[in-house]
Amino acid sequence: GESVGLHLPTLSVQEGDNSIINCAYSNSASDYFIWYKQESGKGPQFIIDIRSNMDKRQGQRVTVLLNKTVKHLSLQIAATQPGDSAVYFCAENMGNYGQNFVFGPGTRLSVLP
Amino acid sequence: DGGITQSPKYLFRKEGQNVTLSCEQNLNHDAMYWYRQDPGQGLRLIYYSQIVNDFQKGDIAEGYSVSREKKESFPLTVTSAQKNPTAFYLCASSIGGLAGRETQYFGPGTRLLVL
Repeated sequence: GESVGLHLPTLSVQEGDNSIINCAYSNSASDYFIWYKQESGKGPQFIIDIRSNMDKRQGQRVTVLLNKTVKHLSLQIAATQPGDSAVYFCAENMGNYGQNFVFGPGTRLSVLP
Repeated sequence: DGGITQSPKYLFRKEGQNVTLSCEQNLNHDAMYWYRQDPGQGLRLIYYSQIVNDFQKGDIAEGYSVSREKKESFPLTVTSAQKNPTAFYLCASSIGGLAGRETQYFGPGTRLLVL
């Protein structure tokens, strides 16, 4: 989920379990969404995207679900690995040319051995 | 290797000093962006450029300036007017055209600290 302030919500999972990271977006007119992974001190890395004409999209070990009714996006990571530990955040496209993405603050995923 | 590079990785600014952050891409992307990231907050857009010799202010442009003289380069200057410059600065690029509906790819970032 989203948060304000200095402390990100943290999700701790055991290695090998599945992870589900959630994101609530703000604009019902948003039509394009991206999930990014950001490791400490590094730039965000594209994971997967989805357009509003889809409810689900799968990648390698990751699935994104979009529920437009409640403006909710989730990222599922299968068989979570230590290398998945990072901050994950979603971005929504607001539809305005140029000033177009709103980024959530993210969720910190911690994978326990 | 194709990608986006930012330099330096760390930058220290003295009070009253202007500093410039470099961003270069060899992806042949038309659009480039600068974001600021503060702890616990989402990325905030500083400036963006859809094409060479053109750029637009983002949500927090005050105290910053940019130029886009070449397609590959989009340097950001943090001026002395920016009173709280300490942050992690991220440059991104996208194919352009339908900018905003295309995936943005990020550089590794520059951390700016004030002495």
